[in-house]
Amino acid sequence: EVQLVESGGGLVKPGGSLRLSCAASGFNFSDAWMNWVRQTPGKGLEWVGRIKSKTDGGTTDYAGPVKGRFTISRDDSKKTLYLQMNTLKTEDTAFYYCYTEDSSGWYEFDHWGQGTLVTVSS
Amino acid sequence: SYELTQPSSVSVSPGQTARITCSGDVLAEKYVRWFQQKPGQAPVLVIYKDTERPSGIPERFSGSSSGSTVTLTISGAQFEDEADYYCYSAVDNNNKVFGGGTKLTVL
Repeated sequence: EVQLVESGGGLVKPGGSLRLSCAASGFNFSDAWMNWVRQTPGKGLEWVGRIKSKTDGGTTDYAGPVKGRFTISRDDSKKTLYLQMNTLKTEDTAFYYCYTEDSSGWYEFDHWGQGTLVTVSS
Repeated sequence: SYELTQPSSVSVSPGQTARITCSGDVLAEKYVRWFQQKPGQAPVLVIYKDTERPSGIPERFSGSSSGSTVTLTISGAQFEDEADYYCYSAVDNNNKVFGGGTKLTVL
């Protein structure tokens, strides 16, 4: 059974930093392209960014609002995905989901974590 | 930033057909996934590759595509289908985007 379990959320002041983790199991993590998606309570889903598998280059891409402040990384030996969030703003308050999908879009492989809440407030 | 456009809400009576559209220029070239999200839960994939239904998703869920618009159809909507629905696609080779979401009410 595929499982994605996020951790690391909490309350942080504006300008602060936080690192989220996502522990994966039940699939070949090292071959997976991994995403972070966020959702402000009561609002819609927003793609945050993605890291490709190392065999596909291991490169990262980010949405405009977080580019330069957030960094996605992975440790395939630990089957763990990370999201380092710096210079946090109140508008970064959201549930953060770890998400993996088939990279080609052709297949139904698609799994989400349950999310972790990040609150940015003074 | 790029946007996919969805209606904010759709309402149907039980047993009727609900149609939710998603529009964007890239959809003529990129596949769409549709997600169902109920309050307090993570999203669930209901359609991928524009028209394919994952295993375990009821047959009443279907997808179609025409040019820059894709449509999620729920034929014979049930009370349990009441949820938020999001389309999702690639903008280019490096970026992804969600539609704004559609609240489906079955009453």
